[in-house]
Amino acid sequence: EVQLLESGGGLVQPGGSLRLACVGSGFTAFSSYGMNWVRQAPGKGLEWISGIKSRGDSTYYADSVRGRFTISRDNSKSTLYLQMNSLRAEDTAVYYCAKSDVYSTSDWGQGTLVTVSS
Amino acid sequence: AIQMTQSPSSLSASVGDRVTISCRASQAIRNDLGWYQQKPGKAPKLLIYAASNLQSGVPSRFSGSGSGTYFTLTISRLQPEDSATYYCLQDYNYPWTFGQGTKVEIK
Repeated sequence: EVQLLESGGGLVQPGGSLRLACVGSGFTAFSSYGMNWVRQAPGKGLEWISGIKSRGDSTYYADSVRGRFTISRDNSKSTLYLQMNSLRAEDTAVYYCAKSDVYSTSDWGQGTLVTVSS
Repeated sequence: AIQMTQSPSSLSASVGDRVTISCRASQAIRNDLGWYQQKPGKAPKLLIYAASNLQSGVPSRFSGSGSGTYFTLTISRLQPEDSATYYCLQDYNYPWTFGQGTKVEIK
């Protein structure tokens, strides 16, 4: 069974930093899949914020986080990361990691809550 | 960025009804569109990929169609467990974008 387990969420002050991690298990070759971060603010819809190709050589960002967030991966540890700097109140959300193949983004983690507040 | 306009934003229907949700892309995206179902407090669940392909394990009452700029998700016979919010997602190019969501309520 595919499992994606996010961690690293919590309460942080505005302007602070946080690093999220997502560990993949239950499937072979983590390095074969693109990975993405999607967030959902309380009571709001889904927002894709960042993606990374299977080998980590290409990264992509939504305008809302570009320059503040950095996506990376360690395929030897089957782990995806999201370094979040200069956090704002509007970054408060549940953050999901999601695994993509050629046709679909079919597997999602359970999410980790990030709260930005003083 | 490609904008995805989803409608309606909410609907209420009875068990057994046929329900259709639409998504319109601001530019052509071939068939690079997925449909997701999300229940409160849960992660999204993929229903349809590549516009019209049913994800394994998803009931056959769900179907998708469309290509280019206009796409639909149809639930042929609404069931109580279909109460949820539904989203489309274009993965044609980055940045990927979701529709605003459609909340489906059972009367």
